[in-house]
Amino acid sequence: RKEVEQDPGPFNVPEGATVAFNCTYSNSASQSFFWYRQDCRKEPKLLMSVYSSGNEDGRFTAQLNRASQYISLLIRDSKLSDSATYLCVVRGGTSGSARQLTFGSGTQLTVLP
Amino acid sequence: DTAVSQTPKYLVTQMGNDKSIKCEQNLGHDTMYWYKQDSKKFLKIMFSYNNKELIINETVPNRFSPKSPDKAHLNLHINSLELGDSAVYFCASSQDISGYEQFFGPGTRLTVL
Repeated sequence: RKEVEQDPGPFNVPEGATVAFNCTYSNSASQSFFWYRQDCRKEPKLLMSVYSSGNEDGRFTAQLNRASQYISLLIRDSKLSDSATYLCVVRGGTSGSARQLTFGSGTQLTVLP
Repeated sequence: DTAVSQTPKYLVTQMGNDKSIKCEQNLGHDTMYWYKQDSKKFLKIMFSYNNKELIINETVPNRFSPKSPDKAHLNLHINSLELGDSAVYFCASSQDISGYEQFFGPGTRLTVL
């Protein structure tokens, strides 16, 4: 089982649509969670951290369910510029190699005009 | 004023050759990383250095040797290149060892023929 699993997509949605991505992680001791965004042939960039209580940043909402080891990202009113690959990222712990980030393989989103 | 820069951007070489990739960050960060992103888009940590000291060394063939002359630079030397080494190699940095937000360089696309 992969450490971080995502539906690869692709998700093709019209502008203005709401789209949700899911991610599951295998290490129940994982401590920190993030969504990164990677545009085609570019480097990944942090989109947002994911907190236990859920958090929102404009049109983006992230949720974490520790019991189910499940993370989600919701994008409302999607824009053409949201087209990218969204990477679910998990951090195992705070010491040694657990501090490293483990990346999912990403979910590809294309927003269509 | 690029934050994390890598050279070269593209590298095409023959099997068996030795090559190096250089990375520099001007963010004043303490921690730097090398990642490999393969054709399936998995981004996997290879090495991490904190203040020039190796702190993460994942299961990577010993043909790969990182070197950090100072905390702003992290280079990657690869000996006896193999076809399977073809990938995009990303350098990244973070403020400190907690690595909550990592800033990635533009990547080096390595093709081994």
